[in-house]
Amino acid sequence: GAVVSQHPSWVICKSGTSVKIECRSLDFQATTMFWYRQFPKQSLMLMATSNEGSKATYEQGVEKDKFLINHASLTLSTLTVTSAHPEDSSFYICSSPSQGAYTEAFFGQGTRLTVV
Amino acid sequence: AQKITQTQPGMFVQEKEAVTLDCTYDTSDPSYGLFWYKQPSSGEMIFLIYQGSYDQQNATEGRYSLNFQKARKSANLVISASQLGDSAMYFCAMREGTGGGNKLTFGTGTQLKVEL
Repeated sequence: GAVVSQHPSWVICKSGTSVKIECRSLDFQATTMFWYRQFPKQSLMLMATSNEGSKATYEQGVEKDKFLINHASLTLSTLTVTSAHPEDSSFYICSSPSQGAYTEAFFGQGTRLTVV
Repeated sequence: AQKITQTQPGMFVQEKEAVTLDCTYDTSDPSYGLFWYKQPSSGEMIFLIYQGSYDQQNATEGRYSLNFQKARKSANLVISASQLGDSAMYFCAMREGTGGGNKLTFGTGTQLKVEL
């Protein structure tokens, strides 16, 4: 299936700093990437949809200025958590829509963010 | 209303037994797809099985089968011959519309524990 590579797999940062998470599509071109957040023992909640060459679409309640999404090329989408706080500690995971003959979406490995 | 409902927060099953994980959904779109994903403690999302709304037969993939009851709007996952490695979180998800690029909406998940 299609491969989405997400980095880093985990990161610890200090309050007030920014963290960038990258998702790369390795064997296909991704015009769209979904970004989800998952708190412990909870479901995946869609935060935003990034679109190559245009502005991201954010879900209701998600702060655009805090979670900056950039989709500058067909193989790279990034999520930057700006001025991170402990409440931003969570599991962030990206996903591409289905590709070609595959019906399922393809997920990155996820990033576990801890803000101290 | 919740689009995807998983009423079992946790389930236990003995090794080699079969287990059914419940999922009900709500949509007014005649075209939709239902997915099951497995999420082990590492966090990765592993695609298990897919059922399209127009599919006449229940989907099967190895030890996984989907009991699709369209009139009841249910899409239960059946795992046969459970193995210790099946212990994980299981998410039911729905994609509405015909576009493969549409987002997935996830249920709250069921934590499955396989015991000896």
